[in-house]
Amino acid sequence: AQKITQTQPGMFVQEKEAVTLDCTYDTSDPSYGLFWYKQPSSGEMIFLIYQGSYDQQNATEGRYSLNFQKARKSANLVISASQLGDSAMYFCAMREGRGGGFKTIFGAGTRLFVKA
Amino acid sequence: DGGITQSPKYLFRKEGQNVTLSCEQNLNHDAMYWYRQDPGQGLRLIYYSQIVNDFQKGDIAEGYSVSREKKESFPLTVTSAQKNPTAFYLCASGGGQGNYGYTFGSGTRLTVV
Repeated sequence: AQKITQTQPGMFVQEKEAVTLDCTYDTSDPSYGLFWYKQPSSGEMIFLIYQGSYDQQNATEGRYSLNFQKARKSANLVISASQLGDSAMYFCAMREGRGGGFKTIFGAGTRLFVKA
Repeated sequence: DGGITQSPKYLFRKEGQNVTLSCEQNLNHDAMYWYRQDPGQGLRLIYYSQIVNDFQKGDIAEGYSVSREKKESFPLTVTSAQKNPTAFYLCASGGGQGNYGYTFGSGTRLTVV
């Protein structure tokens, strides 16, 4: 069965510093996608970044990058130059199979606090 | 602008009452999903639909029902059989091949009174 583990319930980071949020996953499907979402206090989930299991390079989107280590089954999110607005819950997620329409499972989340 | 609209934002349910949460999207996505989120926890999948007139149970479908009569709409009914329905409910849609993450609605917070 597929599984997502986020071991950090909460993290603190100083404004303008980088922070890494950990995520490990487990699946027997060779084709899968890994996602990170941000959930501000408003509750809406915001898609941040995607990494495909066959992608050779780590995904990047602006200040977000995904440190993908396939052999270790980890997909850590790195946020560079943290901003106060980055304070939120962050969820790692995985979807098996190619393309959309397949169900996605989520980890328990990490709450990030950015200090001024 | 394209997006997902969930309504109502807040909903109160009496014991033994069925309530329906609305989810409408204008993104032309084939697949739609319902997730439940309890305080301090991740999202758990209730139901999903990959195409009109078809849907599948997720991990916690008991006490819930859905329909998918139109591509744009995927309402969720919380029935009286759901013994602990107080939670935050999120609807999402996602379609096509590639690296598309889901688009989520703003959620409905359901409370049993």
